[in-house]
Amino acid sequence: AQSVAQPEDQVNVAEGNPLTVKCTYSVSGNPYLFWYVQYPNRGLQFLLKYITGDNLVKGSYGFEAEFNKSQTSFHLKKPSALVSDSALYFCAVRDGDTGGFKTIFGAGTRLFVKA
Amino acid sequence: DTAVSQTPKYLVTQMGNDKSIKCEQNLGHDTMYWYKQDSKKFLKIMFSYNNKELIINETVPNRFSPKSPDKAHLNLHINSLELGDSAVYFCASGLAGSTDTQYFGPGTRLTVL
Repeated sequence: AQSVAQPEDQVNVAEGNPLTVKCTYSVSGNPYLFWYVQYPNRGLQFLLKYITGDNLVKGSYGFEAEFNKSQTSFHLKKPSALVSDSALYFCAVRDGDTGGFKTIFGAGTRLFVKA
Repeated sequence: DTAVSQTPKYLVTQMGNDKSIKCEQNLGHDTMYWYKQDSKKFLKIMFSYNNKELIINETVPNRFSPKSPDKAHLNLHINSLELGDSAVYFCASGLAGSTDTQYFGPGTRLTVL
């Protein structure tokens, strides 16, 4: 069965500092991993995904994530946080081997960037 | 040029009523989804349709009935609404396959009184 864990309910960071939002996953097959962001009263927006290839994936708004197979992690990072990055971030996983349509989302991590 | 749209945006109704939420996508996608986001922001898949065929049906009470008249539309009808149905419901679309990115609608906030 697939599962995703986002161990932090909230991450606080000062503007200009690097940020990390953590995600670990569990799938029986090959993991396809996604990050989405949700701004208040909006739907989720895609940020980036890892399917195969380079473990470091770059996405929208300067975000990147590193796939680490041995640690089953896919942490979201940004070198320099902006106040406008404050939002709810969701990690998600699909089992690539089953070819299924089911995406499992983590519980979300709220990011606060302080000016 | 909205990609995934939902109507209504807000829905306030009494317990026991029947209501529908509509979703349309103009992205040419062949797969559509309904998700429920509860008050703690936890997001859970409810249904998925691929080419108008139901492919995911996640332990959802049968009071919830999705209908896909064509690939661009996926509606959600809810019978006998209960207090616990209060949530934000998101429609999403994508292309078939495990690698696809999903595109989400703006959500419908359902409040059952």
